[in-house]
Amino acid sequence: KNQVEQSPQSLIILEGKNCTLQCNYTVSPFSNLRWYKQDTGRGPVSLTIMTFSENTKSNGRYTATLDADTKQSSLHITASQLSDSASYICVVSARRGNYQLIWGAGTKLIIKP
Amino acid sequence: GAGVSQTPSNKVTEKGKYVELRCDPISGHTALYWYRQSLGQGPEFLIYFQGTGAADDSGLPNDRFFAVRPEGSVSTLKIQRTERGDSAVYLCASSHGDRADTQYFGPGTRLTVL
Repeated sequence: KNQVEQSPQSLIILEGKNCTLQCNYTVSPFSNLRWYKQDTGRGPVSLTIMTFSENTKSNGRYTATLDADTKQSSLHITASQLSDSASYICVVSARRGNYQLIWGAGTKLIIKP
Repeated sequence: GAGVSQTPSNKVTEKGKYVELRCDPISGHTALYWYRQSLGQGPEFLIYFQGTGAADDSGLPNDRFFAVRPEGSVSTLKIQRTERGDSAVYLCASSHGDRADTQYFGPGTRLTVL
């Protein structure tokens, strides 16, 4: 069964600190993996997208990694800011005829001053 | 347009009523998606349009849910005989080509069924 699991479910850190969010997936055949940021009351916004051959991609203070062998991805946030408070959702796409996106439940990140 | 817009932003209705939720995608985007998101969960796929046709409606939970996109632009999600379990945020997204492309999301419509 195609699944995406994220950990932790929620995380609270102090402003200025770094953090890493995890995503494990069992999706086949794998096509790509995306990280989205969703602010409360808003739609998700794409942060990064990585294909099988890419193992790291950065977007400002966000760096995503992908290990296609272990089927794990992480999102590292450097020097966190209050505006980073949001849910971060991992989405894995499978190309099996009718292209599918499998969404994780997200990690709720709270940055405290 | 500048982004995906959805109306209304909030909708409160009574159990058994009919509701329509509207999505205006980014101009020129051929693909349009509807998702449903419950509190603390990731978006749940409902339906995917490519142009005017529904390319994949496998996520629609039952026949009370229906969506149209008659001119390949604006889409309407229709829910008949609403139930309390339909309460959620309904998200619309669009992309330039197909599901392989980055999806741009609207702000969502929060539906509350009393």
